[in-house]
Amino acid sequence: QVQLVQSGSELKKPGASVKVSCKASGYTFSSYAMNWVRQAPGQGLVWMGWIDTSTGIPTYAQGFTGRFVFSLDTSVSTAYLQINSLKAEDTAVYYCARWATTVTKNFDYWGQGTLVTVSS
Amino acid sequence: QTVVTQEPSFSVSPGGTITLTCGLSSGSVSTTYYPSWYQQTPGQSPRTLIYSTNTRSSGVPDRFSGSILGNKAALTITGAQADDESDYYCVLFMGSGIVVFGGGTKLTVL
Repeated sequence: QVQLVQSGSELKKPGASVKVSCKASGYTFSSYAMNWVRQAPGQGLVWMGWIDTSTGIPTYAQGFTGRFVFSLDTSVSTAYLQINSLKAEDTAVYYCARWATTVTKNFDYWGQGTLVTVSS
Repeated sequence: QTVVTQEPSFSVSPGGTITLTCGLSSGSVSTTYYPSWYQQTPGQSPRTLIYSTNTRSSGVPDRFSGSILGNKAALTITGAQADDESDYYCVLFMGSGIVVFGGGTKLTVL
């Protein structure tokens, strides 16, 4: 069965970096794009962008350029989200979500979420 | 920048029917936006309910249905149950690999 398992919660100081992982299993990793979604405390879901798992080419949504980096390690079927120069407003739960197909254009499987807390 | 609009909150009585909508700040929603709907309960990951306007995801009860109503996408819950109390998000595909979430609707069943 398809599973997306994310790394555990992180507590970081402002200005530091964090790298969140999303390990996929149960399907061919390079056949489905991977998205990242942010949810700040008490707020809605916000799409951050996606990475083409066959080419490694990322696409970032408006507001998520510069400090945010999507990457892959296809040898272990894992996608990564790195956030540099962390700010307090980056405190949120970050989800990875598989893009189902280019035909249906929806998210079908989600990771369990990773809480990143930025505090001095 | 395109904004996807949803009702911030709604309430429904148990057994009742409710329709949540998903619109655009400018323009109409059509099937070409491939509207999809997600349910999220507190502390949980989102769950996919509906995709491609009206296709139920595997395991989703048939009391959930999707459609286009007028110029908006719609999610209808027929015979609401207590465990339908959740946040509901729509997503629209804007083309060129870009998607946008709506702000979400908090549904109360009481």
